Amino acid sequence: DIQLTQSPSFLSASVGDRVTITCRASQGINNHLAWYQREPGKAPKLLIYGTSTLQSGVSSRFSGSGSGTEFTLTISSLQPEDFATYYCQQLNDYPLTFGGGTKVQIK
Amino acid sequence: EVQQLEPGGHLVQRGGSLRLSCAAPAFTFAINAVNWVRQSPGKGLEWVSGIVLSGGESFYADSVKGRFTISRDSSMNTIYLQMTSLRVEDTALYYCATLYNTGWYLDDWGQGTLVTVSS
Repeated sequence: DIQLTQSPSFLSASVGDRVTITCRASQGINNHLAWYQREPGKAPKLLIYGTSTLQSGVSSRFSGSGSGTEFTLTISSLQPEDFATYYCQQLNDYPLTFGGGTKVQIK
Repeated sequence: EVQQLEPGGHLVQRGGSLRLSCAAPAFTFAINAVNWVRQSPGKGLEWVSGIVLSGGESFYADSVKGRFTISRDSSMNTIYLQMTSLRVEDTALYYCATLYNTGWYLDDWGQGTLVTVSS
């Protein structure tokens, strides 16, 4: 099974900050990596797929990059609605594993 | 949004069984599979199971293998997750979601069904 290690688990940031979350895969995943935002009481929301493709309707302050086994999600200027938990997921092979999540909190 | 056919909550005793349902998406070549994902209290997202719509191949997380069965009823356009030998640690909010092969991602998440397994 492919393991995803996400870091950090928690981060405190202020509105306007640039935030970067990292996801490391235990083996190559052909860039089949997606990022989701999870807010309490809501279903996960797709932000990025294929490592760097922005899902339709998602703000351009979100971006994804990476290759091989290391991937990042960047929020260029954190907004109040961005305080949530973020997960990476590999979709290269079953089981479709998730990273452990990164909770973004208000500083 | 995929419709989970039995939203709300279910309370089941340890060792019991429960079946969750999800309306299958309308067929397009962009859709590969339907998957179930869960989140237990205080924990992260966990992928549970998936079924490929074209061929019926199914996949399971190690934590549920041998206890959960995913299936499809094409005539009813429904995906089922049959859960047996339920454990307290299966307590979670369960979502179904569509796997798209145009970019490989899960989208069209259901509204979630809460399953509580009591000891």
